[in-house]
Amino acid sequence: GESVGLHLPTLSVQEGDNSIINCAYSNSASDYFIWYKQESGKGPQFIIDIRSNMDKRQGQRVTVLLNKTVKHLSLQIAATQPGDSAVYFCAENGGSNYKLTFGKGTLLTVNP
Amino acid sequence: ETGVTQTPRHLVMGMTNKKSLKCEQHLGHNAMYWYKQSAKKPLELMFVYSLEERVENNSVPSRFSPECPNSSHLFLHLHTLQPEDSALYLCASSQDRDRGQFFGPGTRLTVL
Repeated sequence: GESVGLHLPTLSVQEGDNSIINCAYSNSASDYFIWYKQESGKGPQFIIDIRSNMDKRQGQRVTVLLNKTVKHLSLQIAATQPGDSAVYFCAENGGSNYKLTFGKGTLLTVNP
Repeated sequence: ETGVTQTPRHLVMGMTNKKSLKCEQHLGHNAMYWYKQSAKKPLELMFVYSLEERVENNSVPSRFSPECPNSSHLFLHLHTLQPEDSALYLCASSQDRDRGQFFGPGTRLTVL
């Protein structure tokens, strides 16, 4: 079946380093993707989104890259800070309205 | 604050109890969602309401009953739940079907 998954379940980085979190998707009909951050005890927080007509989109300290050829999505966090420690997961829309399919998440730990 | 609030934040109930979860969004969005988040599992979509009409019912057991009286409020009525229903229940809202969904903090539900 179609699925969204993450290559790395955990990622540990040093404060100030750049972080890269990856996501593979298999539904070729997906044309909208979102990255979320979820801190302990909180709901998922929208970080950045990208549509399939784009390859790259930048936000504040974050960049999302989309490679439709290999169905791969990545989130880059520049100058990672302790406050970035959280679970990050991607979501795809599968080409359908309203329904998002979420990955299991990657736990990012930032060491001071 | 994401503009989506949920009450209560924590709920413990017996299998014979009836309780309701409440969600309110202050973003002017026209779609609202209920998700279930269990440990080590991806987010599971339960229900979607668009302009107060249910547009998705993701094979959820009838012991979960949603209600959307207006575009700002969403309820999840719970009745005769099972211990395996214990999870974090998240509400989200979005403006239209192909925009990012913004989540509330969730209700941590424990069924004894």
